Amino acid sequence: KAGVTQTPRYLIKTRGQQVTLSCSPISGHRSVSWYQQTPGQGLQFLFEYFSETQRNKGNFPGRFSGRQFSNSRSEMNVSTLELGDSALYLCASREGGQNYGYTFGSGTRLTVV
Amino acid sequence: GQQVMQIPQYQHVQEGEDFTTYCNSSTTLSNIQWYKQRPGGHPVFLIQLVKSGEVKKQKRLTFQFGEAKKNSSLHITATQTTDVGTYFCAGAGGNTPLVFGKGTRLSVIA
Repeated sequence: KAGVTQTPRYLIKTRGQQVTLSCSPISGHRSVSWYQQTPGQGLQFLFEYFSETQRNKGNFPGRFSGRQFSNSRSEMNVSTLELGDSALYLCASREGGQNYGYTFGSGTRLTVV
Repeated sequence: GQQVMQIPQYQHVQEGEDFTTYCNSSTTLSNIQWYKQRPGGHPVFLIQLVKSGEVKKQKRLTFQFGEAKKNSSLHITATQTTDVGTYFCAGAGGNTPLVFGKGTRLSVIA
């Protein structure tokens, strides 16, 4: 099975711009979650989607949004980028609910300048 | 909201020494998961504990879930250089999302 695929791997954006990150989960995995990883804050939860429905949302401003498509692929969007949004954005998928472990993608490294 | 605290933040050991990281939750968890992230890599799922007092072993790694389901530990016996990385615990309760601790970064000196 192919793993979780995230594109792009690296991204450099200017403050004020917007960005869209993409995630293709493992085939058959309907649950997709997004995490932001920074050295100071660790892994912080952004969203969780299951069968195109947002099940949970983390404590991030409204500039962060996401969605999941019928094929389970997911995107997250960050508008009006700030310097503090520079981070590694990780997507993770799992077969079902809480009793399954996550398989993470390699992440998208976003740098805002 | 739910918080998961993990200590220590860093641990440096000589190869062959043991290593333990501890995880504490502010609320009772339905399960706890452990992940390992190698430098420059992404988190990789190691194991999940569900039952109160559960102990699971994977070769030199021993995972425990507390009786109250609010704490957990990971113990590595006789560390090797391949054990280098950051170990994260992550807990979930009810319908809440998986909340990660900040991790323990393990360095192994050969």
